[in-house]
Amino acid sequence: GDSVTQMEGPVTLSEEAFLTINCTYTATGYPSLFWYVQYPGEGLQLLLKATKADDKGSNKGFEATYRKETTSFHLEKGSVQVSDSAVYFCALSDRLGKNRDDKIIFGKGTRLHILP
Amino acid sequence: DTGVSQDPRHKITKRGQNVTFRCDPISEHNRLYWYRQTLGQGPEFLTYFQNEAQLEKSRLLSDRFSAERPKGSFSTLEIQRTEQGDSAMYLCASSLIQLAGEDVTQYFGPGTRLLVL
Repeated sequence: GDSVTQMEGPVTLSEEAFLTINCTYTATGYPSLFWYVQYPGEGLQLLLKATKADDKGSNKGFEATYRKETTSFHLEKGSVQVSDSAVYFCALSDRLGKNRDDKIIFGKGTRLHILP
Repeated sequence: DTGVSQDPRHKITKRGQNVTFRCDPISEHNRLYWYRQTLGQGPEFLTYFQNEAQLEKSRLLSDRFSAERPKGSFSTLEIQRTEQGDSAMYLCASSLIQLAGEDVTQYFGPGTRLLVL
């Protein structure tokens, strides 16, 4: 079945460092790809998404590019802040697949700590 | 629009008891999803509704679990004869979808954290 694999955490960086969180996926169809973020004590929030190959999703300085040839959707940010400390989930939804549903399949999450 | 709400936010119960959770989606959203998130893991899909119809159930949803959305608005998730392995965060999400395959965003509620002793 469809699945998402992301780098394990925790990831600890100093403020203003460059961030990369790797994510690869397996899907039988042509999925939409997402990054969700979960801040401490809060619910899941959509950070960014991309729906087709070579699309770049971006939000709050974070970016990820849909790479069909490598089945990847790595999350990057040029200069992280303490407020970026959270758990990040890579996810996919195969809305155009056989079942035409948009249930989301999540990776296990990567906890990010940013030190001041 | 107040977003997706869930009640209660926390529930502690003893093994063998029944529990029921409620989810109120964003007004007029026709799709409603339930997910379960255990510690250190990503959310896992349980079931979803389009209006009042339950369209898909995961194999994770054992016979002890039942979900309803009787009027196509709020939904309830009941767990009968709870087990310690049911301890998790139960998340609800909703979306408005008008065409099959349409690109929509799911909005998540804050979750109900269940602890079974």
